[in-house]
Amino acid sequence: NAGVTQTPKFQVLKTGQSMTLQCAQDMNHNSMYWYRQDPGMGLRLIYYSASEGTTDKGEVPNGYNVSRLNKREFSLRLESAAPSQTSVYFCASSQDGSYEQYFGPGTRLTVT
Amino acid sequence: KQEVTQIPAALSVPEGENLVLNCSFTDSAIYNLQWFRQDPGKGLTSLLLIQSSQREQTSGRLNASLDKSSGRSTLYIAASQPGDSATYLCAAPLTTDSWGKLQFGAGTQVVVTP
Repeated sequence: NAGVTQTPKFQVLKTGQSMTLQCAQDMNHNSMYWYRQDPGMGLRLIYYSASEGTTDKGEVPNGYNVSRLNKREFSLRLESAAPSQTSVYFCASSQDGSYEQYFGPGTRLTVT
Repeated sequence: KQEVTQIPAALSVPEGENLVLNCSFTDSAIYNLQWFRQDPGKGLTSLLLIQSSQREQTSGRLNASLDKSSGRSTLYIAASQPGDSATYLCAAPLTTDSWGKLQFGAGTQVVVTP
């Protein structure tokens, strides 16, 4: 089992460009999450999906959109990147009835 | 909304010493609290999850306690080793009805010197 995988590992964008961060899990989990991690601020929830076909906003959703393509995949899209979106992005998943979350290795994004 | 604080932000100890990491939270009506480990440039690994009905949880050299009345959790790592060097984060549910949505502390960066 690969667990939670994320692509790409690194990305540099110019202000205004768009991109999609990909996440996939092979643990048959219903719930998936996107977080961002900034220095000194811990992780903050951007969006989450409780099941295939459903998504909901987290603490910091502005500037992002998500798609729960199927049970395995949950993507995060930046339509018009801004320097404030420079961060490390983590995807996570959890099993129904369990609070324990499994994290991917992260995507380091720099917006210039 | 839950607020989670970890103090200190960084800690350095000699090998063999016991580590004590602190986590404070504002909403005592939590369902659980989790401790994670993060190695540089890597994702988070779940270490321990304490349910609200439990007072502590143990795994090997790790022991985590939960005191809801005082809004505190403590992670103890016995007989620290250089391999324990990492950032440790705690997390609690964002609100009492936010199943799965976590509020993280900023973490404590630990260095264990040989």
